[in-house]
Amino acid sequence: AQSVSQHNHHVILSEAASLELGCNYSYGGTVNLFWYVQYPGQHLQLLLKYFSGDPLVKGIKGFEAEFIKSKFSFNLRKPSVQWSDTAEYFCAVRGNNNDMRFGAGTRLTVKP
Amino acid sequence: DTAVSQTPKYLVTQMGNDKSIKCEQNLGHDTMYWYKQDSKKFLKIMFSYNNKELIINETVPNRFSPKSPDKAHLNLHINSLELGDSAVYFCASSPQARLAGYTFGSGTRLTVV
Repeated sequence: AQSVSQHNHHVILSEAASLELGCNYSYGGTVNLFWYVQYPGQHLQLLLKYFSGDPLVKGIKGFEAEFIKSKFSFNLRKPSVQWSDTAEYFCAVRGNNNDMRFGAGTRLTVKP
Repeated sequence: DTAVSQTPKYLVTQMGNDKSIKCEQNLGHDTMYWYKQDSKKFLKIMFSYNNKELIINETVPNRFSPKSPDKAHLNLHINSLELGDSAVYFCASSPQARLAGYTFGSGTRLTVV
């Protein structure tokens, strides 16, 4: 069965700091990888996704993620965070059986 | 114009009651899902329906029963509500293609007292 691990439970940064959130997955077949963001009190929104091709994926709001197949990783990055990036971030994997599994989430707090 | 709409947004009810949450999507997607998000923000898939057929039924109590009258609707009925059922329930939908992500509804915050 597929699984997703997010290493950081809570990350606290100051504005303009760089961000990297870790995500590792476990799955034996071809996967699609996603990052979702959940702003306080809101629903999940898709930040970016990877299926094939260039392993460096650019998403909305200046976020990007890099798929490293040998490490089963799909880390999320942003060069300079803003206060408005404060949210919960979820990594997700979608395998051949078509269902999506989410990591436990990482809470990002950006201090103004 | 909401793509995935859930009602109600908030639901407060007493233990032992039966309640339903409705979900509708106007995206023409083939598959719909119910997820439960607990107080620690952990998202767990509960059910998935593809063209009105159940394709995932995770180990949730049988007090929870999904109903899909057509592929645009997936409702969640809960019998004999318990305190531990308190959570935010998200409906989502997706096309068949694996490349596509899910589109989530705005969630229903269920509080059982």
